[in-house]
Amino acid sequence: EDKVVQSPLSLVVHEGDTVTLNCSYEVTNFRSLLWYKQEKKAPTFLFMLTSSGIEKKSGRLSSILDKKELFSILNITATQTGDSAIYLCAFGGSQGNLIFGKGTKLSVKP
Amino acid sequence: GAGVSQSPSNKVTEKGKDVELRCDPISGHTALYWYRQSLGQGLEFLIYFQGNSAPDKSGLPSDRFSAERTGGSVSTLTIQRTQQEDSAVYLCASSAYRGASGSWYNEQFFGPGTRLTVL
Repeated sequence: EDKVVQSPLSLVVHEGDTVTLNCSYEVTNFRSLLWYKQEKKAPTFLFMLTSSGIEKKSGRLSSILDKKELFSILNITATQTGDSAIYLCAFGGSQGNLIFGKGTKLSVKP
Repeated sequence: GAGVSQSPSNKVTEKGKDVELRCDPISGHTALYWYRQSLGQGLEFLIYFQGNSAPDKSGLPSDRFSAERTGGSVSTLTIQRTQQEDSAVYLCASSAYRGASGSWYNEQFFGPGTRLTVL
């Protein structure tokens, strides 16, 4: 059975800290791995990763995939209170479907 | 351009009643997905529609749940005889088809969700 596991489940940091969120997966027919940020209701798309070792970057956020070890990390540098959210990792299948992990709840304190 | 829209944004109902939740996908997106998110939980896949293919209903938790997609666009998720455990946020997402390369994009764009409360 395809599985996506995120860690930690929750994390509390202070503004300015750097955080690393982890996502490991056991899936068949891997196609892509996606990261989403969920603040209130709708998850918003952050990154899609398909190739190992190629970092994707957007401002203070970056992510990388290791297809050999079957994991991905999401880094956030110089965290701000606005980064407080649930970060979701999802495996993308060949039919366009997504299988989500349970998410990491990040709280950034002033 | 408009994103995915859902209605209503909130729905409170009594146990045993039927509810209908609506989703309007992004124009041109031929794939549509329904998820459920209970308090403190991740997204639970319910059903998805891809173009004209038969929907994948493998995630529906019981036969009280059904969904339709009319004209390849708007979708309605129906929950019959609601139970308190049905209380959750129901999220809809859509994605596009690559066309020439013959595969589906994995990037899904989510609507704001419908918060369902069953009393």
